[in-house]
Amino acid sequence: DAGVIQSPRHEVTEMGQEVTLRCKPISGHDYLFWYRQTMMRGLELLIYFNNNVPIDDSGMPEDRFSAKMPNASFSTLKIQPSEPRDSAVYFCASSYSKGHIPSGANVLTFGAGSRLTVL
Amino acid sequence: GNSVTQMEGPVTLSEEAFLTINCTYTATGYPSLFWYVQYPGEGLQLLLKATKADDKGSNKGFEATYRKETTSFHLEKGSVQVSDSAVYFCALSDRNDYKLSFGAGTTVTVRA
Repeated sequence: DAGVIQSPRHEVTEMGQEVTLRCKPISGHDYLFWYRQTMMRGLELLIYFNNNVPIDDSGMPEDRFSAKMPNASFSTLKIQPSEPRDSAVYFCASSYSKGHIPSGANVLTFGAGSRLTVL
Repeated sequence: GNSVTQMEGPVTLSEEAFLTINCTYTATGYPSLFWYVQYPGEGLQLLLKATKADDKGSNKGFEATYRKETTSFHLEKGSVQVSDSAVYFCALSDRNDYKLSFGAGTTVTVRA
């Protein structure tokens, strides 16, 4: 498997523009997570999905952020309109729940990240 | 709620030195504990994990023991190499949840 694939790797845009980040999880994984990494705040969980359904979006900063997972092999994180404070590295990660009983050791596989710079 | 506190970095060491990165946690119940590593320009990858008290996780010469009495999961390596230069994250997950809570990360630089 090629692992978790994110695109674009780098994005530079101007304030007010729409940004769309994409993620392809590992085939067979039923959980997908979006994290944001900044120097000031570290790693923050934005939202996560189970079987394509959003489970917890309490980490999404504000209404400018939205995430979708139309099928098991694709997810997007959209920022509209973007602001300079959104500049960060955005990571997608996926995991496999091993059935309905929590495994107690949920191992995430991360993508390489999308570095966003909003000018 | 759940949280993880790591020792602040950066940490700079010479090759073959002993490395310890402290990690303590706050959680309800009995969480699973993890160390992830992030090499420059890459995503995080699992280094080791432990799922219950007194478990020892180990990988690539790194070790960490789940200490319930001190709510700690300190990372250790007896002899570091330049290739161990990276950012190390301590993390936990509740047994009934699939999301991870991460510490702030500790940057380690090993000099030849």
